[in-house]
Amino acid sequence: SQQGEEDPQALSIQEGENATMNCSYKTSINNLQWYRQNSGRGLVHLILIRSNEREKHSGRLRVTLDTSKKSSSLLITASRAADTASYFCLIQGAQKLVFGQGTRLTINP
Amino acid sequence: GAGVSQSPSNKVTEKGKDVELRCDPISGHTALYWYRQSLGQGLEFLIYFQGNSAPDKSGLPSDRFSAERTGGSVSTLTIQRTQQEDSAVYLCASSLAPWRAVYEQYFGPGTRLTVT
Repeated sequence: SQQGEEDPQALSIQEGENATMNCSYKTSINNLQWYRQNSGRGLVHLILIRSNEREKHSGRLRVTLDTSKKSSSLLITASRAADTASYFCLIQGAQKLVFGQGTRLTINP
Repeated sequence: GAGVSQSPSNKVTEKGKDVELRCDPISGHTALYWYRQSLGQGLEFLIYFQGNSAPDKSGLPSDRFSAERTGGSVSTLTIQRTQQEDSAVYLCASSLAPWRAVYEQYFGPGTRLTVT
């Protein structure tokens, strides 16, 4: 498969809790991006982390990148009902563009 | 400004027919990408354009699939002799510069293709 690996495949938490999802890949990367998808249609860019960065923040989002382990994690803090969506990592290598399989996040009120 | 637009939003076609899917990228975006999303395969990269040329066609699933881009703007993805396994949502994205230059991609709403 050309896809990166994401886990968990599905995550259900209570509103206000933190959500963490992980992305692992096999090739060397230029950068890694996280996207959100609602209702199975267009994707919305959330955050980008370059290969020489280890951590980035954007609002309630925190992304880490460990190139030695070839993995990244996305943390959403203080979750809200509106965060319910599917989350995908996009791995941009020198030669390939690969999406992770996605994590379906459900925030319960 | 306007985002990425795709047409049609939904397309139902009979097996064996040809279909054309259209993508209008954000004005000024030189890079354009096509992806396919299906239940069994997740999100797959199909092809990427820099300007009017496609340096990476490796993701096209078969020779029934082709794509072109004219004037550095609109792109069409053509599927010839459609098969049921072609049923999927086809997503288009654009970005300011080649993906090697590290720019976020802006996605269109997709075209849902159903082959009966």
